[in-house]
Amino acid sequence: KQEVTQIPAALSVPEGENLVLNCSFTDSAIYNLQWFRQDPGKGLTSLLLIQSSQREQTSGRLNASLDKSSGRSTLYIAASQPGDSATYLCAVETSGSRLTFGEGTQLTVNP
Amino acid sequence: GAVVSQHPSWVICKSGTSVKIECRSLDFQATTMFWYRQFPKQSLMLMATSNEGSKATYEQGVEKDKFLINHASLTLSTLTVTSAHPEDSSFYICSARLLNEKLFFGSGTQLSVL
Repeated sequence: KQEVTQIPAALSVPEGENLVLNCSFTDSAIYNLQWFRQDPGKGLTSLLLIQSSQREQTSGRLNASLDKSSGRSTLYIAASQPGDSATYLCAVETSGSRLTFGEGTQLTVNP
Repeated sequence: GAVVSQHPSWVICKSGTSVKIECRSLDFQATTMFWYRQFPKQSLMLMATSNEGSKATYEQGVEKDKFLINHASLTLSTLTVTSAHPEDSSFYICSARLLNEKLFFGSGTQLSVL
């Protein structure tokens, strides 16, 4: 059974700091890994998707890496802003379009 | 980009009543949609996979008679929570896939059962 773990559970940083969120998964037989952002009481916004054959994806200030063999991914956020405050979820996709989510990292960026 | 619309965004109901949640793909056809549930401070858990024109596939531990799923068209899937009880209070969210691209999620429905 696939299990996804995210560390840390919560993170508070001052504005402008670079930060890294970690995600690990137990079964390396994945199709892809996706990072999402969730604001309180809201749905999910897809940030980055990394196919199993890829090692990283970048979008603006965000960079996600994937090491499938070791079952790890990181989300790097550069020059953090208060608007980045949200819960960040990592999810891996396996057969049948099944997504297994981590419990998320709650990020607070203080002005 | 692709949009998935979910309605209502929140609902409060009395115990024993049924609640219907709609999930629509607005600008694409989705043969498969997914329903998730999220309890406070926990992650999303897949409840069922909704297939257009056929029965939904439920995850282990999810009661199919309690959580009725109908996928009558390529753009609409509905989840009905029947005879809702306080323990069904949760955040329900749907998703749909555009071809082989990433999944798009609705904005979610917060259900509170009194």
